[in-house]
Parts: sequence; structure tokens; C-alpha cells
Amino acid sequence: EDQVTQSPEALRLQEGESSSLNCSYTVSGLRGLFWYRQDPGKGPEFLFTLYSAGEEKEKERLKATLTKKESFLHITAPKPEDSATYLCAVQDQGAQKLVFGQGTRLTINP
Amino acid sequence: GAGVSQSPRYKVAKRGQDVALRCDPISGHVSLFWYQQALGQGPEFLTYFQNEAQLDKSGLPSDRFFAERPEGSVSTLKIQRTQQEDSAVYLCASSPPNYGYTFGSGTRLTVV
Repeated sequence: EDQVTQSPEALRLQEGESSSLNCSYTVSGLRGLFWYRQDPGKGPEFLFTLYSAGEEKEKERLKATLTKKESFLHITAPKPEDSATYLCAVQDQGAQKLVFGQGTRLTINP
Repeated sequence: GAGVSQSPRYKVAKRGQDVALRCDPISGHVSLFWYQQALGQGPEFLTYFQNEAQLDKSGLPSDRFFAERPEGSVSTLKIQRTQQEDSAVYLCASSPPNYGYTFGSGTRLTVV
């Protein structure tokens, strides 16, 4: 059964303090690994899809990387507006559904 | 429309009441998904449609949950005889073939 575990559950940083969020996964065959951002009271907002080990993608202060067992979301010099819950999800080959982790709640203090 | 629209945004139901939650996907999106998100948790898959065909309903927690998409566009998730454990945010997402999902803002269901 596909499984996704995110750590830490919650993270508080000062503005400008870089860090990384972890997503460990088990899947029989990876079709894609997804990162989403979710603000309170809203639906998840798509950030990245990674398809194979070694792949990296960047968007503003965020960079996502992928290995065969985990993915990292690196946040460089974060700003308060980066505060949100970050969700990781995997999609198995031959499947359409996503299996999500429980999320990391990120708070950036000014 | 520009995004996935869900209604109502909030629903309070008395235990035992039936509810219907509506999802208007992005026009032309073939795939439509329903997810359930409990407080502080990630979304959990409920069911998947490709056009009007319900291809996967393995995530529906009981036979009180029923979803339909009769014309391959708007979808309705119906919950019969609601229980307190049904309280959650219900998210709808749509996508074109083999592409990423766009989620709606969800319907927050509270069963009292």
C-alpha cells in the first residue's frame, strides 16, 4: 500500500532562516510526486511535480528534490507570506488518485 | 470557469440528515476527484470520475456515501444519514488527461 510520511509536523522559522521539509514515501511504482501548498480555508495549490530520482524543480524561494525514497522541499530565505501547510503526495503508476501525507505546517515569523 | 467551484462553502447538518455537496469543475476537464480532509490531516481519496464514468470508488468510507457525475461535468457527493465522524472538509479536484489537479476551496461539513 502506498504511504507518505512528512516531517516535521510543524516548523517555525524566522524570516530569512532557510530550512527543508521532508517527505518519505513508499510506492510500488512511482508515476509522480507532487508538492502542494494549502492556506487556511482554501484548497491545496499545486507547486511541483517530480517524476524521477535526481530531478529538481524551483519556483521563487522553493526548490523540490527527489530520491528513490524521499523528497525534500527546500525553502531559502523565507518570508512571512510563505507561511502555510505544505502537502506531499504520490501517484502510483497506473493510478489516477494521489496519496497524501499529513502535511507540514510552516510558520515564518517576521 | 476559471477554477473549480464548490458549494456550499459551509454546511451544518444534524446527525441523521442527508446532505449534497456540489462541484463545478474547470470546463473541459475530463477527470474529477473527491477527497475528504479531516482537521490537521492531509486529503484522503474518496472517488474518481473520468467523464461520467465512476472508475474508482474505493475510498468511499461506507455505503452512506454516494457520488455522481451524470453528464460528465458537474458532480454531486451525497452523504446519507450523516454521522459526527463525517465532519470534515470535502475537496473536489479536476484535471485534463495526464496532468496535475486543480482543487476547489472545499465544503466544510459539520455534523451536530
